Amino acid sequence: KAGVTQTPRYLIKTRGQQVTLSCSPISGHRSVSWYQQTPGQGLQFLFEYFSETQRNKGNFPGRFSGRQFSNSRSEMNVSTLELGDSALYLCASSKDRGGSGNTIYFGEGSWLTVV
Amino acid sequence: AQKVTQAQTEISVVEKEDVTLDCVYETRDTTYYLFWYKQPPSGELVFLIRRNSFDEQNEISGRYSWNFQKSTSSFNFTITASQVVDSAVYFCALSEAEYKLSFGAGTTVTVRA
Repeated sequence: KAGVTQTPRYLIKTRGQQVTLSCSPISGHRSVSWYQQTPGQGLQFLFEYFSETQRNKGNFPGRFSGRQFSNSRSEMNVSTLELGDSALYLCASSKDRGGSGNTIYFGEGSWLTVV
Repeated sequence: AQKVTQAQTEISVVEKEDVTLDCVYETRDTTYYLFWYKQPPSGELVFLIRRNSFDEQNEISGRYSWNFQKSTSSFNFTITASQVVDSAVYFCALSEAEYKLSFGAGTTVTVRA
C-alpha cells in the first residue's frame, strides 16, 4: 500500500517567487493536512482539508494557501516567498477526522529553500 | 501555552541500553489522541503509536513500549536494547477536537555502537 507521496522533494526558490507543493494521500484517506517544520519553530500546523473543504487553519499569513481535489489529492501554495519560509513541509493523511480512523500518516516532505 | 512538553532535548546512549522518552501533555478535552513519531534524517515522520484518551492500557511492541498515565498527563516511550538504527528525533503529539496535531519539540536520540 503506497504511503503519502509528496512532490517535489527538494526545491530552491528566490525571494518573492511563489511555490506549489503537491501531496497524494494514502488511498482511501479523505483528510489531508499540512505542517511546516523549521529549526526555530518546530512542527507547526498549517491547514487541514477534508472532502475538498478547509476545516482548520493554523496561524500563518494569507500567503499560505491550499486546496484539495475530488480525489483527495492536495496542493499548498506559498506566494511572495520570504527567507523565513525555508522549511520542511510535511503532508499528512488520515482516513477520517476522528474516532478510530484518524491515525495520521506523514509523507517524506518537501524541502524548500528560499534564497 | 505549550500543549506537549518533551523535556529531554537530547539523549545519548550506548547500543543495548534502554532509552525512555518523556512526554507531558495538557488538554481540557475529554476525548483526545496521543501519538509518537520517529523522524530519521531523511525527514519523514514515521508513525509509531496512537493512543486515545479512553485507553490507558500500556503496550509493548517488539523493543518499543509505551506508558500512558492520565493521572499525570504523561505518555512516555521506551526503547529496550537500543540499536544504532534507533538514532532519530522522536516527537510526541496531541490531537484534540480540532483534529490537528500539536507537537512537542522533539528528543534527539543518538545510539552509539
